[in-house]
Amino acid sequence: DAGVTQSPTHLIKTRGQQVTLRCSPISGHKSVSWYQQVLGQGPQFIFQYYEKEERGRGNFPDRFSARQFPNYSSELNVNALLLGDSALYLCASSLGTGGTEAFFGQGTRLTVV
Amino acid sequence: QQPVQSPQAVILREGEDAVINCSSSKALYSVHWYRQKHGEAPVFLMILLKGGEQKGHEKISASFNEKKQQSSLYLTASQLSYSGTYFCGTGEYGNKLVFGAGTILRVKS
Repeated sequence: DAGVTQSPTHLIKTRGQQVTLRCSPISGHKSVSWYQQVLGQGPQFIFQYYEKEERGRGNFPDRFSARQFPNYSSELNVNALLLGDSALYLCASSLGTGGTEAFFGQGTRLTVV
Repeated sequence: QQPVQSPQAVILREGEDAVINCSSSKALYSVHWYRQKHGEAPVFLMILLKGGEQKGHEKISASFNEKKQQSSLYLTASQLSYSGTYFCGTGEYGNKLVFGAGTILRVKS
């Protein structure tokens, strides 16, 4: 069975640009969560989507947005990139919204220059 | 609020045991444990739920004290492959997880 897949794996963007990251969950999983991980720290929650609806949002500015599609895949968009947005962006797939195992994809390494 | 993990780092020799602790100031619904190796994504190890249910790898054991909002991960007979950074993620509701700063584990031969 395929695990959680994210694309692209690496990305270099210039300050002020916009970026779209993609995630395909494990087959049968209906929930996708996005996390940002800065080097040396634990992942920080950005969004959770379940059945195409936003179920949670972390403490991130409005430059961050996301959506989930009918096939449960998801996109994370970040506008007006700042140097501080450089991080590993992780997508986690789970069956439901609570009390279920969450499995991470390999992540997208975003570098803003 | 971020859970507190202890110790921050630990070095073991192969075959030795270790305990990693995770403590939260908030009432918890679930605790999730992950191991992350350098440059890789976190790998799921264990989930512990309020009420006592647990799911995870056979060789990993953990405990969850709901009253104290604390969890411990027990690594026994450590192997070189156990090296990495261990994170606990605490869930208050839903699968929005708040992760600790991590515990770096190094196993030496």
